Amino acid sequence: EAGVAQSPRYKIIEKRQSVAFWCNPISGHATLYWYQQILGQGPKLLIQFQNNGVVDDSQLPKDRFSAERLKGVDSTLKIQPAKLEDSAVYLCASRTQTNTEAFFGQGTRLTVV
Amino acid sequence: GDSVTQMEGPVTLSEEAFLTINCTYTATGYPSLFWYVQYPGEGLQLLLKATKADDKGSNKGFEATYRKETTSFHLEKGSVQVSDSAVYFCALSDRSNYQLIWGAGTKLIIKP
Repeated sequence: EAGVAQSPRYKIIEKRQSVAFWCNPISGHATLYWYQQILGQGPKLLIQFQNNGVVDDSQLPKDRFSAERLKGVDSTLKIQPAKLEDSAVYLCASRTQTNTEAFFGQGTRLTVV
Repeated sequence: GDSVTQMEGPVTLSEEAFLTINCTYTATGYPSLFWYVQYPGEGLQLLLKATKADDKGSNKGFEATYRKETTSFHLEKGSVQVSDSAVYFCALSDRSNYQLIWGAGTKLIIKP
């Protein structure tokens, strides 16, 4: 079974630039999460999708972050404009509707300079 | 709200030593409990889980028992290896929305 795919693995941008991350969850997984993990900390939930609908985006900084999952499969997370404090690993995870276990991708390491 | 507290790291041990990483939780309901591991440069991998009180999760020589009376889910391994060096995260899953609540992580360093 293929795992959660994320791209790119690494990205370096200057502050005020924009960036986008892509995630392809495990086939059949209705729930998709985006997390931000700052070095030395646990993951912080940014947004949770159920199919193509948003379940929780209460911790998403909506002035600069946006995410979509238009067809209920792939998802993109965008930051525009980026700030230095956005430097982190962005993790995508997915699970089925009935299973509590979430499967994670390898993450995208973003460095804002 | 729900929360997870785990022991601060780094934890440094010699190879073949006994490992315990403490994890306690606060939850209003009956959550599922997890240990995830993150190797350098990698994503998070599920190590083990327990879904109800007194369940024991186990994998790769690691064990953890869901203790409702002490609200704990301590991770143990009888004999650690250098390859176990990683960051370990304790987490709980709220049964109402299945969101994961994370501890801060414990870095484990095993010296040969």
